[in-house]
Amino acid sequence: DTEVTQTPKHLVMGMTNKKSLKCEQHMGHRAMYWYKQKAKKPPELMFVYSYEKLSINESVPSRFSPECPNSSLLNLHLHALQPEDSALYLCASSPPRKTGRDTEAFFGQGTRLTVV
Amino acid sequence: DQQVKQNSPSLSVQEGRISILNCDYTNSMFDYFLWYKKYPAEGPTFLISISSIKDKNEDGRFTVFLNKSAKHLSLHIVPSQPGDSAVYFCAASAGTDKLIFGTGTRLQVFP
Repeated sequence: DTEVTQTPKHLVMGMTNKKSLKCEQHMGHRAMYWYKQKAKKPPELMFVYSYEKLSINESVPSRFSPECPNSSLLNLHLHALQPEDSALYLCASSPPRKTGRDTEAFFGQGTRLTVV
Repeated sequence: DQQVKQNSPSLSVQEGRISILNCDYTNSMFDYFLWYKKYPAEGPTFLISISSIKDKNEDGRFTVFLNKSAKHLSLHIVPSQPGDSAVYFCAASAGTDKLIFGTGTRLQVFP
């Protein structure tokens, strides 16, 4: 299994809804990430979990809440989002440090989120 | 402040020719560089990387060159194929898990 799998692929939610994005990898990777990408812009880092601990939070608003239940799963809980939060949300993972390739992030297909 | 820049938003190349995509950076602490390819509505796909201790890395049709003194890297694709048409992002890391992405270059390979 060499994939990072994200569900759902598309999500439309209202500003009062609570929803969750899910990400899964079974490659034994040690780090998992959430990135946000707006149209015609580069991906921007939101959160990093390294060995299941939150290691980087890029000052993301609290309406986005990450969770790493185990080394294979990463969730992003959404609550009270704004229309400007509509974007492609990308999950990624990186191999263990011992591989020497621990900086390389492998991305999932993304969840296209629309907030109405 | 854009630490990683791709000054060419688009590039058009004939099939079979070389595609050269450029990337400049400002942070001298960056020590690892990556190139990603992205199709619309999909996640970026990792292509090739290079550590700052090297000046060249090659993988099949893809070669990345790093010029640390100029803070410049480039991706060469030889020969270019129509399936290479996509947006290409360079990214850099300063020894942490945070990747800084460039603004992207849209490559179109025509027959």
